[in-house]
Amino acid sequence: QSALTQPASVSGSPGQSISISCTGISNDVGSYSVVSWYQQHPGKVPKVIIFGGSKRPSGVSDRFSGSKSGNTASLTISGLQAEDEADYYCFSYASSGTWVFGAGTKVTVL
Amino acid sequence: QVQLVQSGAEVKKPGASMKVSCQASGYTFTDYHINWVRQATGQGLEWMGWINPDSGNTAYAQKFQGRLTINRNTSISTAYMELSSLRFEDTAVYYCARGTRGFLDYWGQRTLVTVSS
Repeated sequence: QSALTQPASVSGSPGQSISISCTGISNDVGSYSVVSWYQQHPGKVPKVIIFGGSKRPSGVSDRFSGSKSGNTASLTISGLQAEDEADYYCFSYASSGTWVFGAGTKVTVL
Repeated sequence: QVQLVQSGAEVKKPGASMKVSCQASGYTFTDYHINWVRQATGQGLEWMGWINPDSGNTAYAQKFQGRLTINRNTSISTAYMELSSLRFEDTAVYYCARGTRGFLDYWGQRTLVTVSS
């Protein structure tokens, strides 16, 4: 299973909105949407920011939102802030009990 | 509070095997899968496999089939990841992560494994 496809980098100015796509999501997802998104700052442990395609864990800013259409999931960051500068990864079910990460997207706040 | 505590850094020679442990606390160990994820320096996250601590069932990424073994000891709430026939390119940070409803909610602190001759 190859990594899901994400843009290598996305940038935006403070206050702007940006979106990160994740393509190649399996259609074999059972009864629930299984796309999640992770934020990783340099040298830090990844942190889940979106699960179930569009749900946010407690404590995650509502500036982060997720959606899915067909085999593409998207993460949108609205009101971009300096602290959002990090790497972002999507994660989804692949097949036969296996899972796969996206290749990762570096977000730069200009 | 949920915690996953991993074993310490290791240095291995090519061809050797590595074994990293992940001790869980703060929840019922058998209620959640444990996943293993690795990240080479400057590279992305790579899912390796998971174990259902209750049943012992496992699933491995095709890339690691034949080299990867994940098992557990429920009496001490610990999962283990063993990778054999190590290559230089297996040098990476390895994470365990708790899996629930299709996502990874708690992560271990990381274990650096260096493969060097």
